[in-house]
Amino acid sequence: KQEVTQIPAALSVPEGENLVLNCSFTDSAIYNLQWFRQDPGKGLTSLLLIQSSQREQTSGRLNASLDKSSGRSTLYIAASQPGDSATYLCAVSTGGYQKVTFGTGTKLQVIP
Amino acid sequence: AAGVIQSPRHLIKEKRETATLKCYPIPRHDTVYWYQQGPGQDPQFLISFYEKMQSDKGSIPDRFSAQQFSDYHSELNMSSLELGDSALYFCASSLVEAGGTDTQYFGPGTRLTVL
Repeated sequence: KQEVTQIPAALSVPEGENLVLNCSFTDSAIYNLQWFRQDPGKGLTSLLLIQSSQREQTSGRLNASLDKSSGRSTLYIAASQPGDSATYLCAVSTGGYQKVTFGTGTKLQVIP
Repeated sequence: AAGVIQSPRHLIKEKRETATLKCYPIPRHDTVYWYQQGPGQDPQFLISFYEKMQSDKGSIPDRFSAQQFSDYHSELNMSSLELGDSALYFCASSLVEAGGTDTQYFGPGTRLTVL
C-alpha cells in the first residue's frame, strides 16, 4: 500500500525566503507525482505534475524534483510571498487505474 | 478550458438522510475518481470508474454507492448519513491514454455537512 509523507507538517517563513517542502513515498512504482495547493476550505489547485520519466518541472517561482528510486520529491518555492500561504499537498499516482494517494500536507505561512 | 464540475457545491443534511453528489468530467475524459477529505485530513480515495465500469475501490463505506453514466458524468450516493460523513468530496477526471500515464484534474469539491 502506497504511503505518502510530507515534512514538515507546518512551516512559517518571512517573506522573500526560499523554501523547500519535502514529500516521500513508499512505493517507487509510480506513474506521476503532483503538487497541489489548497487554501482553507477550498478545492485543490494543481501546481506541478512530474511524470515518472521526468526528474523535475518548473513553473514560475516553483520547481519540483522527483527521485523515484529513493521515493522522494521536493517542491522549491523561490522568493516566497504572503500569497503563497496555504497547505501544499503532494500526491502520487499508482496502480492499474492510477488512483492518487495524497500526502499529509505541509501548512505554509509566509509572514509579511 | 472546461474544468471538472461538481454539484452542489454545498450540501447540508440531517443524520440518517440521503445525499447525492454529482460530478461532470472534462469533455472527452473517460475516467472519474471520487475522494473524501475530512476536516484537517488529506484526501482519501473512495472509488473510480473507467468507461462506466468500476475500475478501483478504496475506503468507501457500504452505505455509499456510485456510478458513471453514459454521458460519463458520475454520481455518488450516500445513505444513512452519519456525522462523520461531513467532509469535502472531490471528483477528478482523466483521459486514460495509451501508455497508461494520465493526469487527474480535480473539481472544486462539494462540502457536505451532516447535522
